[in-house]
Amino acid sequence: DTEVTQTPKHLVMGMTNKKSLKCEQHMGHRAMYWYKQKAKKPPELMFVYSYEKLSINESVPSRFSPECPNSSLLNLHLHALQPEDSALYLCASSQDWGEGYTFGSGTRLTVV
Amino acid sequence: RKEVEQDPGPFNVPEGATVAFNCTYSNSASQSFFWYRQDCRKEPKLLMSVYSSGNEDGRFTAQLNRASQYISLLIRDSKLSDSATYLCVVNPRTNAGKSTFGDGTTLTVKP
Repeated sequence: DTEVTQTPKHLVMGMTNKKSLKCEQHMGHRAMYWYKQKAKKPPELMFVYSYEKLSINESVPSRFSPECPNSSLLNLHLHALQPEDSALYLCASSQDWGEGYTFGSGTRLTVV
Repeated sequence: RKEVEQDPGPFNVPEGATVAFNCTYSNSASQSFFWYRQDCRKEPKLLMSVYSSGNEDGRFTAQLNRASQYISLLIRDSKLSDSATYLCVVNPRTNAGKSTFGDGTTLTVKP
């Protein structure tokens, strides 16, 4: 299995909703990431988990809350988002820090 | 100055052409380098890692010049399917895992 699986593929949520994005990989990768990408912009790092521990939080607002239940799973909990948070949310994994990434196909999030 | 800068593009080339992209980086301590391609409304996909000795994969050749702090990607015999945005990515020695993406260069290959 050489994939990173993200669910859901599309999500529309209101500003008062709580939702979660899920990411799973079975490649034995030890680093997992959340990225946010706006149209015509490069991916923007949000969080890095290494060996299931949060290693980097790029000053992301607390309305985004990451969770790593085990070495294969990564969640991103969303609460009280703003319309400007609408974007493509990408999960990625790599064998270790500094290695090339495998990206999931992303969740296209629209906040209304 | 941005940490990673790419040729702005867009590049519009005919099928069969050879096209080269450059990417410069400002952190001399950078450790690892990659090229990704991203199709419209899709996720980035790792195209190549870039090594000091250079590396080749079919029609694609990547080079790293540490002295001048740039990496390059050469595509020979362009195909319509090569049309995409190409992103260069640089990892510093410190803050490992905190990759820096270039803004991307868009390539359109035309019949």
